[in-house]
Amino acid sequence: AQSVTQLGSHVSVSEGALVLLRCNYSSSVPPYLFWYVQYPNQGLQLLLKYTSAATLVKGINGFEAEFKKSETSFHLTKPSAHMSDAAEYFCAVSDLNAGNMLTFGGGTRLMVKP
Amino acid sequence: GAGVSQTPSNKVTEKGKYVELRCDPISGHTALYWYRQSLGQGPEFLIYFQGTGAADDSGLPNDRFFAVRPEGSVSTLKIQRTERGDSAVYLCASSSGGAQYFGPGTRLTVL
Repeated sequence: AQSVTQLGSHVSVSEGALVLLRCNYSSSVPPYLFWYVQYPNQGLQLLLKYTSAATLVKGINGFEAEFKKSETSFHLTKPSAHMSDAAEYFCAVSDLNAGNMLTFGGGTRLMVKP
Repeated sequence: GAGVSQTPSNKVTEKGKYVELRCDPISGHTALYWYRQSLGQGPEFLIYFQGTGAADDSGLPNDRFFAVRPEGSVSTLKIQRTERGDSAVYLCASSSGGAQYFGPGTRLTVL
């Protein structure tokens, strides 16, 4: 069985500050990992994905994430927060052996202060 | 190109009624997924189609929930005898083997 834990249901940063959203996963097979962003009253938008190639993955809107197998982590970072980054962020893991169904973490709401 | 679309965007119904939620996947995507997102939580898997067949329906909560994809494209999620606990946002996603792309969801409210 797979699981995802996102530490911190709410994270608040100042505009221009570093964004760090934490994600740890549990998987019995090599995982595929994803970060999605959800703006209010909208669906989920793919930010980036890790599929066993480079461990440092660059996504849209200046976000990136690093896969660390030894720590079973896939934390999301952005060097400088922008007001428009305020949203809910979800980390997810999928299992090729289970049809690629996604298991999501509980989400982290990012707030950006001016 | 066009993304995943879902209709209706909002559905309000009364307890005990039957509802149908529709998903139009990205053209050419063979895999289609349904998820349910309750308030303040991450989405939870319901069912997965590969082509016309349900490859995995282990996430359906009970036999009141059913989904079809008769021609391998559009899918309909059907809920019988709705209960207040069914209130949630129902998300559909499609994939061609890589990442899943989500629709905007249908917000279902059962009064």
